[in-house]
Amino acid sequence: IQLTQSPSSLSASVGDRVTITCRASQGISRALAWYQQIPGKAPTLLIYDASNLEGGVPSRFSGRGSGTDFTLTITRLQPEDLATYYCQQFSTYPLTFGGGTKVEIK
Amino acid sequence: QVQLVESGGGVVQPGRSLRLSCEASGFTFSSYGIHWVRQVPGKGLEWVAVIWYDGNNKYYADSVKGRFTISRDNSKNTLYLQMSRLSAEDTGLYHCARDRDRMAEGPYYFDDWGQGTLVTVSS
Repeated sequence: IQLTQSPSSLSASVGDRVTITCRASQGISRALAWYQQIPGKAPTLLIYDASNLEGGVPSRFSGRGSGTDFTLTITRLQPEDLATYYCQQFSTYPLTFGGGTKVEIK
Repeated sequence: QVQLVESGGGVVQPGRSLRLSCEASGFTFSSYGIHWVRQVPGKGLEWVAVIWYDGNNKYYADSVKGRFTISRDNSKNTLYLQMSRLSAEDTGLYHCARDRDRMAEGPYYFDDWGQGTLVTVSS
């Protein structure tokens, strides 16, 4: 299953609302997770089952979608959100990741 | 707390073999599926392989199937990746990553990752 993320990069100001899209090549129900990778660090889990917020993750992060179309939204972007964001499907093996969206702060 | 520490990376010539290790601590290793995920520096993430908590099920990416073997030693809290017939396309930072939930059966997602060990395939 291929995952296509868009945009591949974006630049936004602190306090902006940011939305990242992940599209699956076939339906995956809600078997989607989102990760944040801060430069130089390993990825961390943000969202699982398309919309469930992992413990300890700020509530400004949210996920929506099912089937083939999914979104990750960051409301009120913060400086520490500078990172690359990846979606991952776990509907079937092989597991696959989207190509990533690099979020920069203006 | 959960710790995953990879080792065994290095520079290796094309066609040669290498074995990576991932030593786990801070949780009941035998209760969790563990994955290998690689990343070319500056590029995206690629899932490589998984071994379920019981060691009885293993799955691989098409790009490594037949060349890589994942295994675990629950008595040593250690995961392995035996890599053979290496090519330049296998160059990358190899992370081990843990299933988020205990005894997960089936495709899953990861909550804890190691920092990775770098493999460079070059003549």
